Amino acid sequence: EAQVTQNPRYLITVTGKKLTVTCSQNMNHEYMSWYRQDPGLGLRQIYYSMNVEVTDKGDVPEGYKVSRKEKRNFPLILESPSPNQTSLYFCASSLSGGNEQFFGPGTRLTVL
Amino acid sequence: AQSVSQHNHHVILSEAASLELGCNYSYGGTVNLFWYVQYPGQHLQLLLKYFSGDPLVKGIKGFEAEFIKSKFSFNLRKPSVQWSDTAEYFCAVILYNQGGKLIFGQGTELSVKP
Repeated sequence: EAQVTQNPRYLITVTGKKLTVTCSQNMNHEYMSWYRQDPGLGLRQIYYSMNVEVTDKGDVPEGYKVSRKEKRNFPLILESPSPNQTSLYFCASSLSGGNEQFFGPGTRLTVL
Repeated sequence: AQSVSQHNHHVILSEAASLELGCNYSYGGTVNLFWYVQYPGQHLQLLLKYFSGDPLVKGIKGFEAEFIKSKFSFNLRKPSVQWSDTAEYFCAVILYNQGGKLIFGQGTELSVKP
């Protein structure tokens, strides 16, 4: 089944404790992206990747890191999480940059 | 800065009523346009998309949208809503010559009363 998977789905952590949210797609898509969803703000793009080893900042990259060492995976790293990063995170992928994106199930992160 | 505006934050309709959700974007270049739907507790799913050609596009579940270039708009419509259409709807724009940057509107929550 073609899909985007994220892990974990739910995470509660404390300020400053490094964490990684994994994202994987099995559709051989070149483009992958991370978003955060907050009430009243819609989805905002954090980082995106046009292809392996190519990443770029979205609208809200501060406090996040990403890497794209292989085509299928695009982990999101929070080196020192803070409470304002409490949010619902979605990973997405598409065939290329201009195409429709397929979204993962989301990761609900709470930073205490 | 480029932005996408959705006119209504929360819309409440009765079943069988007609729906129109507004979406405007601010960008003068070529864009690809999307409407996504998020049912309660689920991830985003594509309703429809516009890349080029006929500005009236049809999507799944009876939804359609019209691209009006002169108004920078891409409004979503459905002639007769059902209770199962209760969800949050997001308009999104990809800026064609800025790689894969995707900008979402704030979302419109639709509640349909049975």
